[in-house]
Amino acid sequence: NAGVTQTPKFQVLKTGQSMTLQCAQDMNHEYMSWYRQDPGMGLRLIHYSVGAGITDQGEVPNGYNVSRSTTEDFPLRLLSAAPSQTSVYFCASSSRYTIYFGEGSWLTVV
Amino acid sequence: GENVEQHPSTLSVQEGDSAVIKCTYSDSASNYFPWYKQELGKRPQLIIDIRSNVGEKKDQRIAVTLNKTAKHFSLHITETQPEDSAVYFCAATLNTNAGKSTFGDGTTLTVKP
Repeated sequence: NAGVTQTPKFQVLKTGQSMTLQCAQDMNHEYMSWYRQDPGMGLRLIHYSVGAGITDQGEVPNGYNVSRSTTEDFPLRLLSAAPSQTSVYFCASSSRYTIYFGEGSWLTVV
Repeated sequence: GENVEQHPSTLSVQEGDSAVIKCTYSDSASNYFPWYKQELGKRPQLIIDIRSNVGEKKDQRIAVTLNKTAKHFSLHITETQPEDSAVYFCAATLNTNAGKSTFGDGTTLTVKP
């Protein structure tokens, strides 16, 4: 049972580059979300989706795009990476009362 | 939107002592309050949760209390062990889905042997 799988685990980007963080879940959850975690701070919601074809902004959406073409997949796109986007990113799939996090993606923008 | 404040930011205790972490929330409509433990380099994992119709919940050495009137909830760990050392996050959620939770900034708990 894979749960939530996100890739890559580590990535170094140059300022201005674009990339996509992949996320997939096999629990048939309608709800998926992306969080970022910075030192000394909690998890902040970037974008979320309540089902295929439906996405919405969270607390810190600027600089990120998402799409949800299937129930299983919820990729996060950085269009033009900035040093402020250096962070750990967690994809999550959730039922009403439980969040299942992926293992995290460590992103460094230089 | 919801705002969650968590205190203290760091907590150091001796093995066997108790540890208490407190959180306050701003939106009285929030009705689900989970706690997560995150070990270094790992993903956060749910350790206990409480819903707004319950005042206290216990699971072995871990307990959570909720005061809806004062809008605060607390995590209590008794008989702490070195493996309890981690970052603990509280969260508050409206009656929609746990995936839209608002998190506190975390408490780094260190248990000294």
